[in-house]
Amino acid sequence: EAQVTQNPRYLITVTGKKLTVTCSQNMNHEYMSWYRQDPGLGLRQIYYSMNVEVTDKGDVPEGYKVSRKEKRNFPLILESPSPNQTSLYFCASKLRTGTSGRYEQFFGPGTRLTVL
Amino acid sequence: GIQVEQSPPDLILQEGANSTLRCNFSDSVNNLQWFHQNPWGQLINLFYIPSGTKQNGRLSATTVATERYSLLYISSSQTTDSGVYFCAVVPGGSNYKLTFGKGTLLTVNP
Repeated sequence: EAQVTQNPRYLITVTGKKLTVTCSQNMNHEYMSWYRQDPGLGLRQIYYSMNVEVTDKGDVPEGYKVSRKEKRNFPLILESPSPNQTSLYFCASKLRTGTSGRYEQFFGPGTRLTVL
Repeated sequence: GIQVEQSPPDLILQEGANSTLRCNFSDSVNNLQWFHQNPWGQLINLFYIPSGTKQNGRLSATTVATERYSLLYISSSQTTDSGVYFCAVVPGGSNYKLTFGKGTLLTVNP
């Protein structure tokens, strides 16, 4: 089954304790992206990757890191989490199609993170 | 950047009723998707529909790209249809970033 998986699905942690949210897709997609969803602010892009070893900032990258060492995986790293990073996080992937942006994006099930 | 407006913001239906949700966008797009966010927070792909009409069971969608709007039709609604419906678009030449509307909160009562 074609899918995007995220782990963990739920996490409660404390300020300053480094954490990683994993994202994996089995569709051989070049493009992967992270979004966060907050009440009143909607979904905002954090980072994206056009291919292996190619990553770039989205709209709200502060406090986050990413890496893309393998095509299927795109982990989101919070080196020193703070309470304002409490949010619902989504990973997404799609085929890379030049500048057209065609073809649908597939989303993971979400990771609900609480930073105390 | 591109603006995406959804209407209505809230909708309450009785089970069995039909509804139409609207998405207006301010510029040409290469991608338009409709999602359903269920009460557990999961984003479910409903349609990829940058233009034309598609149907999937009780749901159908139409996008008129030249007039910059899309419609999502829900027929014979069920309580499991409750949740937030999002329209999201990718403008041309972008980094594939989806710009989401604020969503329509649908509540279907038994």
